[in-house]
Amino acid sequence: DTEVTQTPKHLVMGMTNKKSLKCEQHMGHRAMYWYKQKAKKPPELMFVYSYEKLSINESVPSRFSPECPNSSLLNLHLHALQPEDSALYLCASSQDKSQGGNYGYTFGSGTRLTVV
Amino acid sequence: QKEVEQNSGPLSVPEGAIASLNCTYSDRGSQSFFWYRQYSGKSPELIMSIYSNGDKEDGRFTAQLNKASQYVSLLIRDSQPSDSATYLCAVHGYGGSQGNLIFGKGTKLSVKP
Repeated sequence: DTEVTQTPKHLVMGMTNKKSLKCEQHMGHRAMYWYKQKAKKPPELMFVYSYEKLSINESVPSRFSPECPNSSLLNLHLHALQPEDSALYLCASSQDKSQGGNYGYTFGSGTRLTVV
Repeated sequence: QKEVEQNSGPLSVPEGAIASLNCTYSDRGSQSFFWYRQYSGKSPELIMSIYSNGDKEDGRFTAQLNKASQYVSLLIRDSQPSDSATYLCAVHGYGGSQGNLIFGKGTKLSVKP
């Protein structure tokens, strides 16, 4: 079992819906990440939180809204998505942003999102 | 723009053979290098990390790093059908907002029984 837990595992939502993806880790990591992965493509970085503060937003559309309520939790709020947003959304964590280079990132199992 | 390049494959090897996966990167400031394995529909799983020039061995896996050539490779000895997956090379630099993990497009490996 992965030490980074993502829920739900699958999500189907309409273009007018509002939904949230959740990610939780209990490894004491202080950096958490959201990645988006389309089929047969590598993961693409969306957001980075370091010590509960947003440090990176890779020009992601505002229909994606991240939130880090505490050091263990990371949410991704979704609103008015488009069909092209359908993808595997991956959460990852590392000890801190610089330590991600020392130990790599631990990924959750992902949420398979389909926008209809 | 920082890039990580991999042959997309598919790379097909017979069971028991050595699979050789290659990766090049553009940022000379990169200091940490990782190989992730990703099964279809699953999330990436870290299998090897390497930080210094030379070889690092872990079981059937050997990572090789040559910073002068900006080249990283992964060798899988005694390949098994269960090794069939996409292998992602990832590179981590340091400094400000650039200190993040950048992935290559991945090489799909198929091990034939």
